[in-house]
Amino acid sequence: QKEVEQNSGPLSVPEGAIASLNCTYSDRGSQSFFWYRQYSGKSPELIMFIYSNGDKEDGRFTAQLNKASQYVSLLIRDSQPSDSATYLCAVNMRIQGAQKLVFGQGTRLTINP
Amino acid sequence: SAVISQKPSRDICQRGTSLTIQCQVDSQVTMMFWYRQQPGQSLTLIATANQGSEATYESGFVIDKFPISRPNLTFSTLTVSNMSPEDSSIYLCSVEMRDYEQFFGPGTRLTVL
Repeated sequence: QKEVEQNSGPLSVPEGAIASLNCTYSDRGSQSFFWYRQYSGKSPELIMFIYSNGDKEDGRFTAQLNKASQYVSLLIRDSQPSDSATYLCAVNMRIQGAQKLVFGQGTRLTINP
Repeated sequence: SAVISQKPSRDICQRGTSLTIQCQVDSQVTMMFWYRQQPGQSLTLIATANQGSEATYESGFVIDKFPISRPNLTFSTLTVSNMSPEDSSIYLCSVEMRDYEQFFGPGTRLTVL
């Protein structure tokens, strides 16, 4: 069974602090990793992707990938109330001969003013 | 990215009827996908719709229940047939751009009475 695991939360972080969201995946052959943000009542929005081990920074967001540990994380610096949302980790996996995006359950993040 | 629209945005339907959801994208794409997201849950892939071929359905989803059309590279439809209350969900289409990145439409919120 090819899976993506996330802590469902809720994760509560004070405004201005760093929010750390974590994700593990089962398929050692996966090469592409994505973070989506989903506000309540809205569809998922792609905010970060990472393909190589290490860190990738984009504004206040940093994605971290460790393929040996099968672990990917998203850090949000200087958290704002507008960052309150569910964050979905998605991993591209080869399943039954086809490339498919497998989603985690999502982590609900709340930023407290 | 791509601009994706879905129609209808929401609907309330009676048990036993069918609803066809349309997905339109502003550029030509090879891969389109249909997902279902039940309240408080993550995304579940229903099927992959490639232009010029039959849709590929995931385990638990069948063509008789969820027929899909893909007449060209910018458009697809998903029909939810013979609906029951268990079909109440948000239905999302997505398109794949480069490097397995998927972008989602705004979703269709379906309620079956």
